[in-house]
Amino acid sequence: GQNIDQPTEMTATEGAIVQINCTYQTSGFNGLFWYQQHAGEAPTFLSYNVLDGLEEKGRFSSFLSRSKGYSYLLLKELQMKDSASYLCAVRDRAGGYQKVTFGTGTKLQVIP
Amino acid sequence: KAGVTQTPRYLIKTRGQQVTLSCSPISGHRSVSWYQQTPGQGLQFLFEYFSETQRNKGNFPGRFSGRQFSNSRSEMNVSTLELGDSALYLCASSLGTGMQETQYFGPGTRLLVL
Repeated sequence: GQNIDQPTEMTATEGAIVQINCTYQTSGFNGLFWYQQHAGEAPTFLSYNVLDGLEEKGRFSSFLSRSKGYSYLLLKELQMKDSASYLCAVRDRAGGYQKVTFGTGTKLQVIP
Repeated sequence: KAGVTQTPRYLIKTRGQQVTLSCSPISGHRSVSWYQQTPGQGLQFLFEYFSETQRNKGNFPGRFSGRQFSNSRSEMNVSTLELGDSALYLCASSLGTGMQETQYFGPGTRLLVL
């Protein structure tokens, strides 16, 4: 089976940097996604990591360490509109099928 | 490019009925994945279709099924609806090539089972 852990809630200040961690346990890792979801809206794709290292996309960066079962999403220069839930999801191979499992999400509140 | 579209956007059904939801992926995308989202369980993976074949499958009962057509449009069917099937059903499309994967979600179909 799979187990994905991420903090339930975080609060950060506008203009600051925040790191949202995600740890996972899986038998056949095949990639990790980060999504942003505003309340009442569909998730929006942020990043997909399949190899170790840091991937940077503007204000957002995502890091992966497969040996440690660990990823983080780094948000720089926080803006009020970044207040949302951030979902970590892992794709793995189990029983002949690839499965995508989502964490329960981290609700980020950005305050002035 | 048009985004992922889902129809209908809202649906009310009663227990025991069946329902079919539709998803049209972004043009050129061959992979369509379906998810169920509920407040209690979060986002759960149902299945993925690629080139008309079910490539990935989550842990849902056989009442949940799907298919994909040659134009990559996909449908999801739920038979013998239960109250617990009330949820937001999301589909996501991607190229399906694996590396540098980018998934785009549609707006979802909100299903209410009474």
